[in-house]
Order: sequence, then structure tokens, then C-alpha cells
Amino acid sequence: QSVLTQPPSVSGAPGQRVTISCTGSSSNIGAGYDVHWYQQLPGTAPKLLIYGNNNRPSGVPDRFSGSKSGTSASLAITGLQAEDEADYYCQSYDSSLSGSVFGGGTQLTVL
Amino acid sequence: EVQLLESGGGLVQPGGSLRLSCAASGFTFSYYAMSWVRQGPGKGLEWVSAISGSGGSTYYADSVEGRFTISRDNSKNTLYLQINNLRAEDTAVYYCAKGPWSGYYRAYFDYWGQGTLVTVSS
Repeated sequence: QSVLTQPPSVSGAPGQRVTISCTGSSSNIGAGYDVHWYQQLPGTAPKLLIYGNNNRPSGVPDRFSGSKSGTSASLAITGLQAEDEADYYCQSYDSSLSGSVFGGGTQLTVL
Repeated sequence: EVQLLESGGGLVQPGGSLRLSCAASGFTFSYYAMSWVRQGPGKGLEWVSAISGSGGSTYYADSVEGRFTISRDNSKNTLYLQINNLRAEDTAVYYCAKGPWSGYYRAYFDYWGQGTLVTVSS
């Protein structure tokens, strides 16, 4: 079981908006540690999508956005495209474990 | 362009050892902390270990503490992971990942290698 909890799967039609939640606890997200998001396309390495809760690296479309509140965070994807079909992971730092922690991952299906 | 190229994976028997390497290019290697993150077959990502830019500080997940040793050679722009007493549950693709600053604390991973597969089986 992952320290951060994500839904196993989400889906949406092209053009729609989907959100992926990431729930933590008082030793990670709730302690004020930033949340970061990664996209892993099939058969490839993960790629940084959002860092510091809501910042996009250069080259990441503004269709992707992040937010954080309390012990949870969310990734929103608007204008869904077929190429967005991938696994998405949240990541933070946990003070009890003294290390980085990931969510279990969410598989996004574009219908 | 940042590039990270892992090597050293393979098939090893339980109890065996391996040393993974990650050759870095396209950035000033010694300025940045580096990590190893693994992904078991059909599973999610698991942070394994990290090392500061200078190499003076190392960090490990509880699941590998005492069996894995992370190190780096800044003169060769190379990151290493020595894995001892391998177990079946260590079977995974091992990625090296670059941090955004010299320390590891609160870091994220802005660049990833393509990964190297470690299979532990008799």
C-alpha cells in the first residue's frame, strides 16, 4: 500500500476535463510538503509534469494544472487528448519516513 | 540536453549482488542531488535512495537500508547503486533521476533515465 492514495483509474472523453486526486497525511502533504506529478506513457520512463504543487516545467501544456489543500492534492487535465492516455503519479516527502513517497498511480483512459 | 543512461541490470540469483551505473551528461553533475527510483513489474514507483550533490549525504528507503549503497563519482559524472543480498521483491526497472538542487530534502525528480531491469530469480 502506497503512502499517498490515488484512484486506480479515471477516464474521460476527448475534450473533457478530468481530475486525479492524491491523498496523504499529516506527515507528508498535510505537513506542508510540496506535491509533484509525473506522467508515464506506456513503455517509457516517468516525466515531470507538475512541481511545487502547481508549477509546470517548460514544454508542459497549460492543459495540465495542479492544486493542493490540506492533506490532499489534485491534478487536473482539461481538453483531454488521446495522447494524454498514461499513468499519473503524485509524489511528496514524508517526515516520518525521511524520504520521498509516491502514490500508487492512476491510469488515465481516453474514451 | 540532460541525459541519464543507466546500465548494469540483469538476471541474478537470490542473495546475489549487482552494481548499477548511471552516466549523466548535459548538466553540471556535482551541483545536483541524484536518486534511484524503482518500478516492479506492473507496479507503481518506489523511491529507493538518494545522494547529495557532493556525495556527503545519503538516504535510503527502509526496504533497502543495509543492503543497498548509493555513491557517485563527480569526476566521471556517474551515479552508482550497489545492491547486495538481492531478493525476489527487488525485481524491478531501476531509474536514476536528477533532483532540482544540490540537497535531497524535499526534492522532486526533473529528469529520468530510461531505466535498467534487474531480475532476481533462481
